[in-house]
Amino acid sequence: GAGVSQSPSNKVTEKGKDVELRCDPISGHTALYWYRQSLGQGLEFLIYFQGNSAPDKSGLPSDRFSAERTGGSVSTLTIQRTQQEDSAVYLCASSFSSSNYGYTFGSGTRLTVV
Amino acid sequence: DQQVKQNSPSLSVQEGRISILNCDYTNSMFDYFLWYKKYPAEGPTFLISISSIKDKNEDGRFTVFLNKSAKHLSLHIVPSQPGDSAVYFCAASEGGGSNYKLTFGKGTLLTVNP
Repeated sequence: GAGVSQSPSNKVTEKGKDVELRCDPISGHTALYWYRQSLGQGLEFLIYFQGNSAPDKSGLPSDRFSAERTGGSVSTLTIQRTQQEDSAVYLCASSFSSSNYGYTFGSGTRLTVV
Repeated sequence: DQQVKQNSPSLSVQEGRISILNCDYTNSMFDYFLWYKKYPAEGPTFLISISSIKDKNEDGRFTVFLNKSAKHLSLHIVPSQPGDSAVYFCAASEGGGSNYKLTFGKGTLLTVNP
């Protein structure tokens, strides 16, 4: 596609439920990143994919968070047993190579845990 | 511990005047700096960057200045236009432009009044 596509754009879930957030990167972009922005905070790095591998998961805040990428394309970020502090905008970005040059961000998924 | 700080949550300027957005950092290993612009309900978009080997980079109406000794950078927009109204994020990385991981500030909301 022309840009990075994320779905859903908004998600409201009950505390304790699992959620899946999807990211479709720009075709041909081998690197994919997840960030999140909590209220009043800057963007916080979560995880980096190169192809289907995740060499850097250092930003995942707890073991309730996991992500996968298949076919070198679509990525899914899963949050299990959601908590209120998980409420944030989750942003996906992709780039041709593992550099910070040419990052293209999606519009994000606004997650609200009630 | 915030490594990239944007101490002004908001800034309001008149159309045609100069907008100056400031950013401070604490990590002396940061050597590449970027500014992103974000409109509501959209992902951040890359605006301009600067390497630590330079102290100024200019692109049209946008100029970024870097003061390494003060660990301070600023984005100048001149002349400011109403379409520049957005949230501006300062970001930094180690290892030059080849490092995928960005550390972001909290952002500054710029409002340009007609």
